[in-house]
Amino acid sequence: AQSVAQPEDQVNVAEGNPLTVKCTYSVSGNPYLFWYVQYPNRGLQFLLKYITGDNLVKGSYGFEAEFNKSQTSFHLKKPSALVSDSALYFCAVRDDSNYQLIWGAGTKLIIKP
Amino acid sequence: EAGVAQSPRYKIIEKRQSVAFWCNPISGHATLYWYQQILGQGPKLLIQFQNNGVVDDSQLPKDRFSAERLKGVDSTLKIQPAKLEDSAVYLCASSLNSAGKYEQYFGPGTRLTVT
Repeated sequence: AQSVAQPEDQVNVAEGNPLTVKCTYSVSGNPYLFWYVQYPNRGLQFLLKYITGDNLVKGSYGFEAEFNKSQTSFHLKKPSALVSDSALYFCAVRDDSNYQLIWGAGTKLIIKP
Repeated sequence: EAGVAQSPRYKIIEKRQSVAFWCNPISGHATLYWYQQILGQGPKLLIQFQNNGVVDDSQLPKDRFSAERLKGVDSTLKIQPAKLEDSAVYLCASSLNSAGKYEQYFGPGTRLTVT
């Protein structure tokens, strides 16, 4: 069965420092992976995706993610965190059989000034 | 391009009352999803449409929830009668699901409070 794990409930980072939000996956075929962000009282916003090709994917708001097939990981990264990056982040993988997304439990990112 | 539209943004009802939510997806997106999201948790899929047909409604509580997408464009989700545990944010999303465009785009959601 396909699954996604976000091992950290919360990540705390000082403003200006690099940030990493972790995601690991388990799929039977080629993975289609996604990151979404949810700001308070807002809907989910698409950040970036990995379908195929370059292992480093760039997305919105300066975020990027690194696909690592051997470690089955798709970690979200940003070189320099902003206080405004504080939000809930979700990793997801596409289920090839039905075009549904399988969601991680979410990681709360807190950026402290 | 316009995003996914949802209305209303907020709704407060008493238990046993009925409520309806509306969603208009991104133009050209054949697949439409309704999710329920409890605060701080990931979204839970309720129903998935492909054009005007239901692909998956296995997690929709059919004794009280119903949804339709009659013309294959906008959709409504109804709850009747509402229970306290239905208090949540209801999210609508749409996707092209072809040519590598598999990401889902979400509307702002409807926050439902059942008292």
